Amino acid sequence: SAVISQKPSRDICQRGTSLTIQCQVDSQVTMMFWYRQQPGQSLTLIATANQGSEATYESGFVIDKFPISRPNLTFSTLTVSNMSPEDSSIYLCSVVGGQSLSGTQYFGPGTRLLVL
Amino acid sequence: GENVEQHPSTLSVQEGDSAVIKCTYSDSASNYFPWYKQELGKGPQLIIDIRSNVGEKKDQRIAVTLNKTAKHFSLHITETQPEDSAVYFCAARWGNNAGNMLTFGGGTRLMVKP
Repeated sequence: SAVISQKPSRDICQRGTSLTIQCQVDSQVTMMFWYRQQPGQSLTLIATANQGSEATYESGFVIDKFPISRPNLTFSTLTVSNMSPEDSSIYLCSVVGGQSLSGTQYFGPGTRLLVL
Repeated sequence: GENVEQHPSTLSVQEGDSAVIKCTYSDSASNYFPWYKQELGKGPQLIIDIRSNVGEKKDQRIAVTLNKTAKHFSLHITETQPEDSAVYFCAARWGNNAGNMLTFGGGTRLMVKP
């Protein structure tokens, strides 16, 4: 399995500001994803972070609001831009372990964001 | 696209009893079904998964069953313990390419009473 760390683990931010969340994996992985989990809800995929190219966003999520970087096979960042209270959620980094395209998917510990 | 329904949304059992959580999926092409456990303040942890070429898989007190014809799969926890209390999510994915997305159920909050 892959060991995933996220920074920060939690933050309280003012509306209109931006926060960048970092995801570090202990091994090279094929796929990296970013999810949002609103309070008491299930997981919603924001985007797939593609190494060396632009991220692939799901319906309802746009690059201007959630810019993503993935400079290599072990690291990615998600920025939540121009935040509003509706952005208060848990943001989760997720990876498919190893180089296998049919591998299992693992999640990081999450970043708990509160926007005031 | 795929749609996954999960029931019940909350489940309360007495310690030592069994717990069963059920999920149905809509896309008959789905062939990979993981289950995740999310404890308070933590990220989801994979606890068991099953692929469509088998009907049942067990790991100690946890088992998953799959009925491809009816398009549903279930998580069974036997001899429940207080530390089993958490939110459980089922998911489904089609194809063997991990680039295909997991679709998650709505989650089940399991409470095990000592």
